[in-house]
Amino acid sequence: NAGVTQTPKFQVLKTGQSMTLQCAQDMNHEYMSWYRQDPGMGLRLIHYSVGAGITDQGEVPNGYNVSRSTTEDFPLRLLSAAPSQTSVYFCASSRARGNTEAFFGQGTRLTVV
Amino acid sequence: GENVEQHPSTLSVQEGDSAVIKCTYSDSASNYFPWYKQELGKRPQLIIDIRSNVGEKKDQRIAVTLNKTAKHFSLHITETQPEDSAVYFCAPGDTGNQFYFGTGTSLTVIP
Repeated sequence: NAGVTQTPKFQVLKTGQSMTLQCAQDMNHEYMSWYRQDPGMGLRLIHYSVGAGITDQGEVPNGYNVSRSTTEDFPLRLLSAAPSQTSVYFCASSRARGNTEAFFGQGTRLTVV
Repeated sequence: GENVEQHPSTLSVQEGDSAVIKCTYSDSASNYFPWYKQELGKRPQLIIDIRSNVGEKKDQRIAVTLNKTAKHFSLHITETQPEDSAVYFCAPGDTGNQFYFGTGTSLTVIP
């Protein structure tokens, strides 16, 4: 049982490039989400999904897209990378929305130069 | 959305002393009150949680207390050890709503 698997672990992008951060979970969780973590600002919600085919915006969605074609996968796309998107990104899943334990992936440290 | 505040933002204690971190929230509908620990370079992991029908929960050296009337809950760590050094996050939530994470408390346990 792998839990939440997130790739890559590190990435350097040039301004304007695009990329996809992968996230997969094998716990059959309905709820999945993406956070970014910046120093002193905690974990801020980017996008979330309550099930396959359903996604919605969080606190800081600009510059990011998501899709949820299967229960297991929830990729995050950076459309045109900007230095302000330099951050650590975490994918998380939970059995339900808001009132059960969240399981996190290992994180992706992204640097945009 | 939920307004979550954590205090203090940094905390240093001597090994063996106790540490207390407080989380205040604004949404009276919140009914789930977890605490996550994040060690340096690692992912956040749940260490203890409590639901609104319980006032206190204890697991060995850690405990969580809840005051729903005042809308705050606290993490208590007793007999602190160097491995307790980490960033701690609260994330109050309720059914059908999001997790709203606090900004974190960096705890340093001095040997």
